[in-house]
Amino acid sequence: DIVMTQSPDSLAVSLGERATINCKSSQSVLYSSNNKNYLAWYQHKPGQPPKVLIYWASTRESGVPDRFSGSGSGTDFTLTISSLQAEDVAVYSCQQFYSTPPTFGGGTRVEIK
Amino acid sequence: EVQLVESGGGFVQPGGSLRLSCTASGFTFSSYWMHWVRQPPGKGLVWISRINRDGSTTTYADSVKGRFTISRDNAKNTLYLQMNSLRVEDTAVYYCAKTYDWNYWFDPWGQGTLVTVSS
Repeated sequence: DIVMTQSPDSLAVSLGERATINCKSSQSVLYSSNNKNYLAWYQHKPGQPPKVLIYWASTRESGVPDRFSGSGSGTDFTLTISSLQAEDVAVYSCQQFYSTPPTFGGGTRVEIK
Repeated sequence: EVQLVESGGGFVQPGGSLRLSCTASGFTFSSYWMHWVRQPPGKGLVWISRINRDGSTTTYADSVKGRFTISRDNAKNTLYLQMNSLRVEDTAVYYCAKTYDWNYWFDPWGQGTLVTVSS
């Protein structure tokens, strides 16, 4: 199984400041035939189901604010919230869909400082 | 609006059984792969099973293989998870989710149903 490791476990950021979450996979999730990274990011708020923010490592889902961006390739990925808003308080998880079983990172809790 | 609604969760003793359902609306159910993903209390998300569009192919995580069975009824737009020989460690919120193909991201997810296994 591909192990997904996120860091940090939690972070507190002031409103309007940048939040950066890292995700590392135990093996590459870049599929060479199409040059796509099989990596997604989800936002999970209490009492709600997870919601996809980013797929193919950097493609923003329709309707997701452009302050959310994804980057990286191979085994190292980053989710950036460029200007944290109050409604962004949530747990963020990365997930690889390159191989079976699909696996998730442990999650990063983002709070307001 | 695309919607997935789970039901069937509850409290069960170790060794017992439960059947979860996930009713879909707002999209052509038979055109998508469907999955179950769970989240134990205080822990991360864990994929447990998937089924292809016509129900002919199923895959399970090792942790539930031989105990859980995923199935679907495309005429009823409903996904199922039959859970037998339940263990305390199966306690979790169970989500259903759809993907375009077996190796795509999950979108959307249902609201989840809580399964508690305890004596």
